[in-house]
Parts: sequence; C-alpha cells; structure tokens
Amino acid sequence: DQQVKQNSPSLSVQEGRISILNCDYTNSMFDYFLWYKKYPAEGPTFLISISSIKDKNEDGRFTVFLNKSAKHLSLHIVPSQPGDSAVYFCAAQRGRSSNTGKLIFGQGTTLQVKP
Amino acid sequence: DGGITQSPKYLFRKEGQNVTLSCEQNLNHDAMYWYRQDPGQGLRLIYYSQIVNDFQKGDIAEGYSVSREKKESFPLTVTSAQKNPTAFYLCASSASLSPTMNTEAFFGQGTRLTVV
Repeated sequence: DQQVKQNSPSLSVQEGRISILNCDYTNSMFDYFLWYKKYPAEGPTFLISISSIKDKNEDGRFTVFLNKSAKHLSLHIVPSQPGDSAVYFCAAQRGRSSNTGKLIFGQGTTLQVKP
Repeated sequence: DGGITQSPKYLFRKEGQNVTLSCEQNLNHDAMYWYRQDPGQGLRLIYYSQIVNDFQKGDIAEGYSVSREKKESFPLTVTSAQKNPTAFYLCASSASLSPTMNTEAFFGQGTRLTVV
C-alpha cells in the first residue's frame, strides 16, 4: 500500500526552464510534507517543507504547492540548473498530533537538467 | 560540527551471517530512523525510535533488529533471516516531536551492504 506516490520516475528539462515534480498521497492524516534531494551513494538532504495549514511555501528557486482536496503536492524549481540534477523524494509525516514522527517516502523522481 | 554518521560506507557480508550497521548523531535529536533504499522503491522504513530504550517496527522490520541504549546511537543488525539484505541503508534523526517544531529528518551518508 503505497501511501505516497511519485508517478514519474524521471524528468528531463532544459537549463533555465521550470522543473515541476509531482507527488500524490492517500492518507488524509498526513499534515506535514517534505521534499528531499539525493545524489547517488549519499544520504538525502532536506530541501523544503510545507504544513497542511498552508498551500504554498517558497524558498529561493524552490516552491512547494499543496492541494489538500486533491491530496497532491508539487515542487517547482525555477530556473532549473544542471546542479539540480538528482533524485527528488517527496515525504509525508503522519499525524503530528500523535507525535509518531514517521516519514513516509515516495519512490523518487530522477531530475536531469540539461545545459 | 553537528551531524549524523553512518559506518562503514561499504560492507560485505557472507550469506548466513549477521552484520551490524552503526549510526551515531550528535544533534541531540530524540528520534532516529532506519530506512532501506532499493532501486525504484524509494525509501522504506525499517525501524524507528522516538526515545531512548524504545523503538517501533516500520514497514519492513522482518529480518532486522535494533537497539537504542543511548540517545546518540541507533545500531541496526541485519540478521540471516533477512532474505534480500543487499541494499543501501540510510539512518536519519529528527528533533523532539513537538507539534510546534519542524521535524525534518537529517540523514547520514548511508551504508551499502552487499551479501556475497
């Protein structure tokens, strides 16, 4: 039962253009969402997050949008740079009020930004 | 420098042997996690611990065991009962689970375990 899904295994964009990575979730109890970036043979690094009380969070070139009714979030990278090429994981946290702290990850999307 | 350290980076094990992966953090984080990454499957939760001397099974705990005797340390043992142990293992930690705090997890660099 995949509660967090990233349906696009890969994405290729041109340098300078927008990259849009998508993520869907099924559990309405998730109330905190995160994006991580991962290079091969390294641990993921935290990129940006959003609480369920918001619908948008922006940090420099990175913006995350949350559509709770659709149970969908997306990460926008503008402008895309070759150094952004990596695997991007979407993650969701289940019920902060229950303090479980568990992060549930999607399968990842490999982004390639071409010079 | 605060951080989370996994060792070794590469580990080879003979089939039928147990092996323990180390994870240490000096971030004063209460919660620690073990994930496994396989190609095309993202990160799957093996075990997690919210406090010393307590831990919970994740989604794929079978064949693994953990301990949390110290706040800083959360070692993972891959036992001979784990049928497909070859994978990339990631340890993570996060701060106290207060609803008012961000709880993003910080990851170690990972351990690549290969069964030969």
